[in-house]
Amino acid sequence: RKEVEQDPGPFNVPEGATVAFNCTYSNSASQSFFWYRQDCRKEPKLLMSVYSSGNEDGRFTAQLNRASQYISLLIRDSKLSDSATYLCVVVAWFSGAGSYQLTFGKGTKLSVIP
Amino acid sequence: EAQVTQNPRYLITVTGKKLTVTCSQNMNHEYMSWYRQDPGLGLRQIYYSMNVEVTDKGDVPEGYKVSRKEKRNFPLILESPSPNQTSLYFCASSLEWRSEQYFGPGTRLTVT
Repeated sequence: RKEVEQDPGPFNVPEGATVAFNCTYSNSASQSFFWYRQDCRKEPKLLMSVYSSGNEDGRFTAQLNRASQYISLLIRDSKLSDSATYLCVVVAWFSGAGSYQLTFGKGTKLSVIP
Repeated sequence: EAQVTQNPRYLITVTGKKLTVTCSQNMNHEYMSWYRQDPGLGLRQIYYSMNVEVTDKGDVPEGYKVSRKEKRNFPLILESPSPNQTSLYFCASSLEWRSEQYFGPGTRLTVT
């Protein structure tokens, strides 16, 4: 069974702190990677895609390490509004079977404290 | 407004009574899927569809059926619901299999 693993947390950090999450995956055929944010009882929403060269969007930075098979999310200058659960998603395509596999991590809960 | 809609949002039913949860998207997306989310288990894919009339099983398809007769609609059918199907269900769509997904607001199902 291919897996995607995340530290469930919770991560309790003060406002203004920098926090980092990792997500490891076991399927070396994985091709697409994403970070989603989910607020309590709401639908997941895309935070950012993760590109091989790494990418940044404001206070958020995503990185991919194919050799070690993990992706990371760095949040700088944490805000109260960043409190949520962060989900990683890994997508792999199996050309032989003509199918694909999309797997969500179980999520890391972040609480930003005043 | 680009969106994924699901209906109903909340449903309480009894064991064995067939039900359908509808899902519709207005973004002309090729790919659609259904997930269930349970505490401690995260989001798990039930079924997905890569295009009209093309569906395939995800990780937890037992007890569910789907159909994709039109591009915009992807209903989830529970022929004989059981209490272990009590869960929060999300429909999602994306332009293609490797693209980011857009989720519906969720359907909270309770089977007694």
